[in-house]
Amino acid sequence: EPEVTQTPSHQVTQMGQEVILRCVPISNHLYFYWYRQILGQKVEFLVSFYNNEISEKSEIFDDQFSVERPDGSNFTLKIRSTKLEDSAMYFCASSGSETQYFGPGTRLLVL
Amino acid sequence: AQSVAQPEDQVNVAEGNPLTVKCTYSVSGNPYLFWYVQYPNRGLQFLLKYITGDNLVKGSYGFEAEFNKSQTSFHLKKPSALVSDSALYFCAVRDANAGKSTFGDGTTLTVKP
Repeated sequence: EPEVTQTPSHQVTQMGQEVILRCVPISNHLYFYWYRQILGQKVEFLVSFYNNEISEKSEIFDDQFSVERPDGSNFTLKIRSTKLEDSAMYFCASSGSETQYFGPGTRLLVL
Repeated sequence: AQSVAQPEDQVNVAEGNPLTVKCTYSVSGNPYLFWYVQYPNRGLQFLLKYITGDNLVKGSYGFEAEFNKSQTSFHLKKPSALVSDSALYFCAVRDANAGKSTFGDGTTLTVKP
């Protein structure tokens, strides 16, 4: 059964450093998303991406964040200058129609 | 705007008993409703969805949910709980014309032997 994959599973970085989180969505899906979950809190929407552009973004998704689909398979989330409060689990999701399927997540720890 | 409420932080049931995890929602258009389960240190696993049609939907692992438009609810149910059902459950809603999902705060289900 096809699934969304994410790398790395864990990342530790210093405050102010750039990080890139990678996702491989399900191959025939056209809609891509990033969500995050701060430890013990709810899952929050960051951004949605369709047809090579951002279709919607939340207040969290400020100028420090960017997304890219550099080739036909990968979908990346870049945080330019990480802050302590960026520490969270980041989930990628993709959908072909109604259902969003989530990857296993990347746990980001900013020190 | 869309929102989801899961009024219970925690639900405890004995193995073999029926379980219900509650969810109410608010959307401006037609709702797409979902339940996801999250095991410790794992991702969000899709359980079931309501898009249209029959109000009672069946999903993975014996779970089902009933869409109630008048009460704007979508409660998750299972006739006989298993210890292995213990996990964090999230209800989510999407407006049929929107992309993003909005999640509830989650309900921790604990099934005791």
